[in-house]
Amino acid sequence: AQRVTQPEKLLSVFKGAPVELKCNYSYSGSPELFWYVQYSRQRLQLLLRHISRESIKGFTADLNKGETSFHLKKPFAQEEDSAMYYCALSAYGNKLVFGAGTILRVKS
Amino acid sequence: DVKVTQSSRYLVKRTGEKVFLECVQDMDHENMFWYRQDPGLGLRLIYFSYDVKMKEKGDIPEGYSVSREKKERFSLILESASTNQTSMYLCASRQTVVLNTGELFFGEGSRLTVL
Repeated sequence: AQRVTQPEKLLSVFKGAPVELKCNYSYSGSPELFWYVQYSRQRLQLLLRHISRESIKGFTADLNKGETSFHLKKPFAQEEDSAMYYCALSAYGNKLVFGAGTILRVKS
Repeated sequence: DVKVTQSSRYLVKRTGEKVFLECVQDMDHENMFWYRQDPGLGLRLIYFSYDVKMKEKGDIPEGYSVSREKKERFSLILESASTNQTSMYLCASRQTVVLNTGELFFGEGSRLTVL
């Protein structure tokens, strides 16, 4: 069965520090992975997807099939990055399976 | 801009009541979804619909039903609300994309409290 694991419920870093939000997945097919973000009092929205291979708001994520991981990284955290981050996997039938989410707090 | 609108932001209902959660999207998307969002559990798929009058069960359909009579509207129904259905409910829509999974557009959410 497909599964997405985000091991950290809360990640707290100082402004300017590097950030890495972990995501591991379990899926027998060819994975398609995403990061969604929810800022305070805003709706959930797509941050980035692995097939785009782009950097959004300074964030990048690389799909590592060997380690079945899709960690989200940013070299220098900013206060406006504080949000809830969800990793998601596109499963059979193009259904999205979400992880439990990680709250990122960037302290000044 | 895609707009997904959930009619009720906050609802308080009593155990046993029938509850309707409405969702409307204005971008002619074929696919629509209902998730519930709970701390520590993330988003769990309740039901989804690939097109009008089509529906499929997600991972946690028990206690819920859905209706999709028109393309733009997807309703979630709690036939007899129970306290364990207290949650945030998120509606989402998506265009069908052939070669990959399209972006989900979410509503603002409906926070349901069942007393």
